Amino acid sequence: GENVEQHPSTLSVQEGDSAVIKCTYSDSASNYFPWYKQELGKGPQLIIDIRSNVGEKKDQRIAVTLNKTAKHFSLHITETQPEDSAVYFCAASFTTSGTYKYIFGTGTRLKVLA
Amino acid sequence: KAGVTQTPRYLIKTRGQQVTLSCSPISGHRSVSWYQQTPGQGLQFLFEYFSETQRNKGNFPGRFSGRQFSNSRSEMNVSTLELGDSALYLCASSLEAVSGSQETQYFGPGTRLLVL
Repeated sequence: GENVEQHPSTLSVQEGDSAVIKCTYSDSASNYFPWYKQELGKGPQLIIDIRSNVGEKKDQRIAVTLNKTAKHFSLHITETQPEDSAVYFCAASFTTSGTYKYIFGTGTRLKVLA
Repeated sequence: KAGVTQTPRYLIKTRGQQVTLSCSPISGHRSVSWYQQTPGQGLQFLFEYFSETQRNKGNFPGRFSGRQFSNSRSEMNVSTLELGDSALYLCASSLEAVSGSQETQYFGPGTRLLVL
């Protein structure tokens, strides 16, 4: 079935350390993988995304890696700062009847300790 | 460009009532999706509209319905509200210049619904 698993559910790191969040997906046909950051009282905001024809993408302190063979992708945040504290969601696209939808992971609450 | 807007932001209803939530997508975006977010279930896909047609539907009962207007604005309706419908309802829009192209979804701030 359509499923995205996300780990860990909570993550605490010291300011300046790196944080890694991992997701696995069930459909080998999935080809678009966005990551969202959700702060308290706000909707999810896209922070980075990757398509299946690329293995890695980087944007300043944030990077995403994709392993299509293993069907997993990861978010890497380096030099974490207190403002990185939020809930992070991964998602994968699932095609159905010629259209598509996104299935989300259950979220990771990241706490950056000053 | 203005982002996705949702109204109202907060809503309190009682069991058995019905509710209508509104979403205005980013200008030029043609696809609108709705999600229910709860602490226990995360983000659950409700349905997606493109050019006034429902293209995809999640596993929710028929009490949940929606529609999209010619200007791409969308509404979702929940009839006969239950306590378990209390949640944050999120709307997301994407450009999708070509139907079926998997493009980035941009979320609104959500409508927080409390059912008493």
